[in-house]
Amino acid sequence: DTGVSQDPRHKITKRGQNVTFRCDPISEHNRLYWYRQTLGQGPEFLTYFQNEAQLEKSRLLSDRFSAERPKGSFSTLEIQRTEQGDSAMYLCASSPSGRGRSGANVLTFGAGSRLTVL
Amino acid sequence: AQTVTQSQPEMSVQEAETVTLSCTYDTSENNYYLFWYKQPPSRQMILVIRQEAYKQQNATENRFSVNFQKAAKSFSLKISDSQLGDTAMYFCAFTTLETNSGYALNFGKGTSLLVTP
Repeated sequence: DTGVSQDPRHKITKRGQNVTFRCDPISEHNRLYWYRQTLGQGPEFLTYFQNEAQLEKSRLLSDRFSAERPKGSFSTLEIQRTEQGDSAMYLCASSPSGRGRSGANVLTFGAGSRLTVL
Repeated sequence: AQTVTQSQPEMSVQEAETVTLSCTYDTSENNYYLFWYKQPPSRQMILVIRQEAYKQQNATENRFSVNFQKAAKSFSLKISDSQLGDTAMYFCAFTTLETNSGYALNFGKGTSLLVTP
């Protein structure tokens, strides 16, 4: 396993278009997280999946954003009707099951998908 | 709300020297975990070191060590014998025991570290 993979690495789109990002976590990890990172800021939590269940969504995740993890493996993050303010790096991370002391709280990040909205 | 503050936006250090990055956090929880992550330019974020709040002993990983002061809510990272490859953005992060967000991390704004020859 080569870690967390994200695709595409870069996406340039025009305002109003829809975009979709894909994340393939480490295969044995059942926890998956999406974050958004803007220039000069730390990553901000967007949403969390445990297996296929989306258990938490941040208030940052407006109704134009939707995330899925249909089979508890890969996940997609779709942004509809993109706005210039959506320009950011979208990070995916995964972690194993179990409790914190077992390492479940150690997130492995992908390289991110950079979105530029013109 | 739990917040993480990194008060040093940028730092520089010469190769082979030692540098300390600061981090403070605010929480009402007693049990939690603290992390330092490194994000090299245009590369993915990787874990540098982890500290469990219930452990009094400071964590160390080779050249990286932390100074964890629970009462002061302070969690600084010391990098010894700095190397050019340590040039990166460093993020301090915090999480509590598992919640509906799993172990979602709260990040600081980061400190950009430049190691010079």
